[in-house]
Amino acid sequence: GAGVSQSPRYKVAKRGQDVALRCDPISGHVSLFWYQQALGQGPEFLTYFQNEAQLDKSGLPSDRFFAERPEGSVSTLKIQRTQQEDSAVYLCASMPAARREIDNEQFFGPGTRLTVL
Amino acid sequence: QKEVEQNSGPLSVPEGAIASLNCTYSDRGSQSFFWYRQYSGKSPELIMFIYSNGDKEDGRFTAQLNKASQYVSLLIRDSQPSDSATYLCAVDIPLQNNNDMRFGAGTRLTVKP
Repeated sequence: GAGVSQSPRYKVAKRGQDVALRCDPISGHVSLFWYQQALGQGPEFLTYFQNEAQLDKSGLPSDRFFAERPEGSVSTLKIQRTQQEDSAVYLCASMPAARREIDNEQFFGPGTRLTVL
Repeated sequence: QKEVEQNSGPLSVPEGAIASLNCTYSDRGSQSFFWYRQYSGKSPELIMFIYSNGDKEDGRFTAQLNKASQYVSLLIRDSQPSDSATYLCAVDIPLQNNNDMRFGAGTRLTVKP
């Protein structure tokens, strides 16, 4: 079946521009995560959704970052007034279950590489 | 203290040797532990998970968990050049009814032919 997809795969933005990154999770997956991965670093947690509810947004670095998942499927990560330090790969992952289960696996999308000039 | 810590490496081992990757975590309530492999320019892929103290073996990979020491490791036996990648340790964050996870910064492994 189809995996997690993300679009665009690459995005170049001028400093100050707004960008929107899309994530299509695996159909039926309840949980959705956004991560930011800088070059040579591990994924840094940004935010987590359970269906349409954003249960944790503690990782969003500033109020310029906003995420939504209005119908509990597709999610959009929006970054306003982009800065050079926002340059990174943005990874989306989905997971089938909502409640904690010991063998839950996150399935990652290919990521969106954002470059802010 | 970061929630999940790994030695960043790089770790270099010769082909055929055992590679040992280590990870420590801060939350004693964590129950699930995952090892992901990430090739350069690719997204992470799950290779093993473990939730009970002790060892779990899957082919050339063995995960070891010690909850008392808050330590989880990954051993790769008979290392191959194709194992060269960054290995990410991930730990669940025990929030009520949630499935939050945190990743370590990853250990870069190079297996030399």
